[in-house]
Amino acid sequence: DQQVKQNSPSLSVQEGRISILNCDYTNSMFDYFLWYKKYPAEGPTFLISISSIKDKNEDGRFTVFLNKSAKHLSLHIVPSQPGDSAVYFCAARRGSQGNLIFGKGTKLSVKP
Amino acid sequence: GAVVSQHPSRVICKSGTSVKIECRSLDFQATTMFWYRQFPKKSLMLMATSNEGSKATYEQGVEKDKFLINHASLTLSTLTVTSAHPEDSSFYICSARGGSEWNQPQHFGDGTRLSIL
Repeated sequence: DQQVKQNSPSLSVQEGRISILNCDYTNSMFDYFLWYKKYPAEGPTFLISISSIKDKNEDGRFTVFLNKSAKHLSLHIVPSQPGDSAVYFCAARRGSQGNLIFGKGTKLSVKP
Repeated sequence: GAVVSQHPSRVICKSGTSVKIECRSLDFQATTMFWYRQFPKKSLMLMATSNEGSKATYEQGVEKDKFLINHASLTLSTLTVTSAHPEDSSFYICSARGGSEWNQPQHFGDGTRLSIL
C-alpha cells in the first residue's frame, strides 16, 4: 500500500510559468514532509521541507504548501526555468527518527 | 550544504563477484545512514538503515546476507553486494542524516549504477 502518492508521472510547463507538483499521503502520523529533485544518474538533492505544524514554507522560487485535512502537499516553482527540468520526489516521515517514505516521482519538463 | 559522497559511480562486473560501495558524509557526522535501491521508473526503495556502531536494520524482503552493510564510523558506511547476479543490477543510492533533531533532512549520494553481466 503506497503511503505517499504522486499521481502525475510527468508535467510539462513553459519557461517563466508556474510549476505545481502534487503529492498525497495516507498516513496521518506523518509530521515532516520533504521535496527532492533528481537528475538522471545522480542522487536526489534536498529542496525544501515543511513541518506538519505549518501550512506553507517558502525558499526563493520554491514554495511548499501543506493541507493536513486533505493529506495533500504541493510544490510550487515560480518562475519555472529550463534547469528545473528533473524528477521531483515527495517524501514523508513520522518522527525525527522515522524513515523517509517516497512517492514515485513526477518528471518536470520546463520548455524554453 | 551537506555533502554525501558515494563511490564508485558505476560498476560493471561478472556474475558471482562481490561488489563494495562506499558512502561518506564529508562535512557532517552521519548518525544514521540509509541504503536505497531504485528500479527504472520506480521510486526509491529503502533497503536498510544503519546507525554507527550498530547492526543494520533491513527492510522486509531484503536479504541481509546478500547485502552486507557496515557503518564503522560516523562518516562512512559500506554496502557489499555479495556474489552478485544479473538481477542485482540496479541503481544503489546511499543517504545520511546527522543529529537527532526532528527537522534534519537526509542528504543523498550520487548513486552507484551496478551492472552484473
